[in-house]
Amino acid sequence: EAGVAQSPRYKIIEKRQSVAFWCNPISGHATLYWYQQILGQGPKLLIQFQNNGVVDDSQLPKDRFSAERLKGVDSTLKIQPAKLEDSAVYLCASSLAGAYQETQYFGPGTRLLVL
Amino acid sequence: GNSVTQMEGPVTLSEEAFLTINCTYTATGYPSLFWYVQYPGEGLQLLLKATKADDKGSNKGFEATYRKETTSFHLEKGSVQVSDSAVYFCALSNGGATNKLIFGTGTLLAVQP
Repeated sequence: EAGVAQSPRYKIIEKRQSVAFWCNPISGHATLYWYQQILGQGPKLLIQFQNNGVVDDSQLPKDRFSAERLKGVDSTLKIQPAKLEDSAVYLCASSLAGAYQETQYFGPGTRLLVL
Repeated sequence: GNSVTQMEGPVTLSEEAFLTINCTYTATGYPSLFWYVQYPGEGLQLLLKATKADDKGSNKGFEATYRKETTSFHLEKGSVQVSDSAVYFCALSNGGATNKLIFGTGTLLAVQP
């Protein structure tokens, strides 16, 4: 079974530029998560989708971050404009139905460096 | 609010040594508890989990017991190998409308031959 795919794996941009990350979840998984992992910290949830609807985006900085999940499959996370403090690893995860105690499966992440 | 506290690393051990990585949590209600592992260059992988008090999760020789009285979920392994070198994250999920995981800061384990 294919795992969660993410691209690109690495990205370097200058502050105030825009960037987009892509995620393809495990086939059949209805729930998709984006986490931000700053160096030295644990991952923090940015947004959770159930199919193509948003379940939780309380930690998403909406003035610069946006995310969509068209057709309830792939998802894109965008940052515009980027700030230095956005340097982090962006992790995508998916789970079957988003039920309590359900296992989340993580992709390899996209490492972003903002200069 | 909900939070997870892990012992700081790095933890450096010789092969075949005993491992303990401490994890305590703060949460309302009855959270589920998880240990995730991140090998170099790879994504997070679920190592084990426990969903109620006194449950023991185990996998690949690792164990952790859900202790509600001490709000702890310490990770243990009797004999570590070089291949266990990785970052270990303790996490909780507290249900509700979202299944989000709340992670600790991670503990780097380095096992030397």
